[in-house]
Amino acid sequence: ETGVTQSPTHLIKTRGQQVTLRCSSQSGHNTVSWYQQALGQGPQFIFQYYREEENGRGNFPPRFSGLQFPNYSSELNVNALELDDSALYLCASSSNQGRYTEAFFGQGTRLTVV
Amino acid sequence: KQEVTQIPAALSVPEGENLVLNCSFTDSAIYNLQWFRQDPGKGLTSLLLIQSSQREQTSGRLNASLDKSSGRSTLYIAASQPGDSATYLCAVMYYGGSQGNLIFGKGTKLSVKP
Repeated sequence: ETGVTQSPTHLIKTRGQQVTLRCSSQSGHNTVSWYQQALGQGPQFIFQYYREEENGRGNFPPRFSGLQFPNYSSELNVNALELDDSALYLCASSSNQGRYTEAFFGQGTRLTVV
Repeated sequence: KQEVTQIPAALSVPEGENLVLNCSFTDSAIYNLQWFRQDPGKGLTSLLLIQSSQREQTSGRLNASLDKSSGRSTLYIAASQPGDSATYLCAVMYYGGSQGNLIFGKGTKLSVKP
């Protein structure tokens, strides 16, 4: 059983650029959620994907968008990067078979916007 | 507003001590509660998941309890070791709203001194 993997591990971008982060969910999991964690804070929910559709969204602007693929892997895209987007981005996978199971997280992608 | 609070923000103990980390939440209509461990700059490692119908869960030296009526959960760590040093995060999933969304506290940073 493979765990949740994220790529890349670190990324430096310039303000105004666009970025794509990737996540491979744990084997057997059909739900992927993305979180943003600023330094010293708890993770904040961005959105969740289930069966390739967005299934819930937190308080983030539309320039944060995502995709889920048939193999349940997922991408997080952020357009028009701002300095405040600098954070650790975490992907979590879980299984939704009528009820939510334990969430397992990847190691995160550290995004720095300069 | 659904919020999760963790007290204390930081804790330093000598090796071998038993300790308790606290988590409180504002809304008792929770679906489940999960405790995580986070090492500096890393992702989250799931420690224990408590469903809303359960009162406690145990794994090795860890025991987590849940009291929905008072809006509290505790994580008890027995015979602490330097390897337990990390930030411990509590996360709650609520019914309704963006279901599947975990709401996190800011964490308790634990340091176990040899």
